[in-house]
Amino acid sequence: GQSLEQPSEVTAVEGAIVQINCTYQTSGFYGLSWYQQHDGGAPTFLSDNDLDGLEETGSFSSFLSRSDSYGYLLLQELQMKDSASYFCAVGNNFNKFYFGSGTKLNVKP
Amino acid sequence: NAGVTQTPKFQVLKTGQSMTLQCAQDMNHNSMYWYRQDPGMGLRLIYYSASEGTTDKGEVPNGYNVSRLNKREFSLRLESAAPSQTSVYFCASSEVGRESYTFGSGTRLTVV
Repeated sequence: GQSLEQPSEVTAVEGAIVQINCTYQTSGFYGLSWYQQHDGGAPTFLSDNDLDGLEETGSFSSFLSRSDSYGYLLLQELQMKDSASYFCAVGNNFNKFYFGSGTKLNVKP
Repeated sequence: NAGVTQTPKFQVLKTGQSMTLQCAQDMNHNSMYWYRQDPGMGLRLIYYSASEGTTDKGEVPNGYNVSRLNKREFSLRLESAAPSQTSVYFCASSEVGRESYTFGSGTRLTVV
C-alpha cells in the first residue's frame, strides 16, 4: 500500500523561506506531486518530480530523493497569500496518486 | 475555459437517500477521478477512469458507483447515503501520463 507523512502545521513570517517535508512508502513509484489548497477551495497543482533532484518553478522548488523515499517543497519569499494547506501526493501509476494529510502553512506579518 | 465543473456545489441528504454527483471537463483529458476529503485528512481516491469506457476502484470505493458517460463526463452515485459519507467531494482530470491533476471546485455533501 501507500502511506505519506508530512507535518501537520508550519508557521513562518513574511519574506522567509519554508520547507515542507514529505516521506512516503509506496509499492512502485511514478512520481511525487505537490498541491496547494486554500480554505474552502480546490487543490491546485504546484509541481511534480519523477526523477531525483530539484525542480524550480518561480517562487517555489520541489526536491525528490527516491532512494530515501523523501521529498520537500520549498517556498521562498513568503507572502500572506501563501497561507494555505500543502499536500504531497505519491503515485505508483499516472492515474493512481495518493495524498498526504496536508501541511497547514501559516504566514505571519 | 471552464476546466472541471462539478454540480451541485452543496447538498444535504437524509440517510438512505440516493444522489448523483456530476462532473464534466472541457480540456480533452482522458483520465478522470473522484476523491473525497474529510477534515484533517488528505484526499482519498474513490474511483478513477483511465480512459473512456473504463473505471477502477480506488482506496475507498464502498458505498459508491461511477459512470464514465463519455470522454467529458464522469459521475459519482451514492445509492443509499450514510452519515459516514458526509464529506467534500472533488472531481479531477488529467492527461495520460501527466502527473498534474486539475480539480473541480468540489461538492459539499452532508448526510443527516
